[in-house]
Amino acid sequence: TQLLEQSPQFLSIQEGENLTVYCNSSSVFSSLQWYRQEPGEGPVLLVTVVTGGEVKKLKRLTFQFGDARKDSSLHITAAQPGDTGLYLCAGKGGTSYGKLTFGQGTILTVHP
Amino acid sequence: NAGVTQTPKFRVLKTGQSMTLLCAQDMNHEYMYWYRQDPGMGLRLIHYSVGEGTTAKGEVPDGYNVSRLKKQNFLLGLESAAPSQTSVYFCASSAPFSGSSYEQYFGPGTRLTVT
Repeated sequence: TQLLEQSPQFLSIQEGENLTVYCNSSSVFSSLQWYRQEPGEGPVLLVTVVTGGEVKKLKRLTFQFGDARKDSSLHITAAQPGDTGLYLCAGKGGTSYGKLTFGQGTILTVHP
Repeated sequence: NAGVTQTPKFRVLKTGQSMTLLCAQDMNHEYMYWYRQDPGMGLRLIHYSVGEGTTAKGEVPDGYNVSRLKKQNFLLGLESAAPSQTSVYFCASSAPFSGSSYEQYFGPGTRLTVT
């Protein structure tokens, strides 16, 4: 069974601060995705990383896939209240019919 | 374009009652999934389907059954609800061979309370 440990579980910061969320596993994933979920809605995909060491940027969000494809991080620069939400990492195994293993999630609150 | 829809949005059941949650997608996706989301536990896969007429067990299948009679619909059934099944249920769909992405598209969720 593949497991993804996500940390921290909760993050409460002030507008303008930087933050990093981590996603770690002892298993290798063929790809790793980050989703964002707002209250009362389903998760929405932010990014997919596939290659070990890959870095992707989405405006103020930077996503990195570990060299060994066992871990990933999400870094937000100058957080804004609109970044508030639940962030989920999800890993895909090699032959899994698109099945994903999700981390526990990080609840981010950005105060104005 | 509706994407993934779920019915109902909210439901309260008494222990032992049964119900069916309906998921529909209009994106012609082959793969569909049912998850439950509980605080601090992320999303856990209940059952999934890789095509019309096929279903398979996920991580937490006990107490649930599913059917995929039509490609666009995926039904989740609870035969005898238990308080431990109080949760938010999400349906998702994805397309196979979509490059490296396998992006899953989620519905808005069904909040189920079993008393």
